[in-house]
Amino acid sequence: GAVVSQHPSRVICKSGTSVKIECRSLDFQATTMFWYRQFPKQSLMLMATSNEGSKATYEQGVEKDKFLINHASLTLSTLTVTSAHPEDSSFYICSARDFSRGGRETQYFGPGTRLLVL
Amino acid sequence: TQLLEQSPQFLSIQEGENLTVYCNSSSVFSSLQWYRQEPGEGPVLLVTVVTGGEVKKLKRLTFQFGDARKDSSLHITAAQPGDTGLYLCAGTFGGKLIFGQGTELSVKP
Repeated sequence: GAVVSQHPSRVICKSGTSVKIECRSLDFQATTMFWYRQFPKQSLMLMATSNEGSKATYEQGVEKDKFLINHASLTLSTLTVTSAHPEDSSFYICSARDFSRGGRETQYFGPGTRLLVL
Repeated sequence: TQLLEQSPQFLSIQEGENLTVYCNSSSVFSSLQWYRQEPGEGPVLLVTVVTGGEVKKLKRLTFQFGDARKDSSLHITAAQPGDTGLYLCAGTFGGKLIFGQGTELSVKP
């Protein structure tokens, strides 16, 4: 089946540094990818929609200058957490939308990236 | 304002018991999905319900979509410790997949 990968799976960084997370669709092309954030024992909260070749659209309350998204190819979207602080520590999950299977849209999720900012 | 209201948010039961999780909205959805997520992993799709009144079964799990396509339920029969996890309902709204609050299920042996 379709696979979406994320790298790294976990990262620890110092406060003030920037961290880049990659999301790849491995066997299909995705013009649209999504980035979610999840705190412990909570649900997934949509942060932004990543569109190939154009600017990402951010949900209300999500700082676009803080969470930089780049979707430079049909199989790769990156999320960069700039000047990370301890409150940015969270589980970040991406998903990719696939239209190639019989015309029915399916959204596949990556395994997530655990970010810990010290 | 939560578009999808999921309840209960926490559920702790003994092995062998039955349970139902509800997902409600004031909006109509063309489809709703149910996911299961284990700690440290991404959510895994269990089922998609599309037609109002539809019932789908996946072994001991029964999913139902309301007639008006505003609500859905997940019923687990004879729960087992392996069913422990976070269950999430989700629906597409404005082209984006939005999740309910989730139900943290713990099944004790």
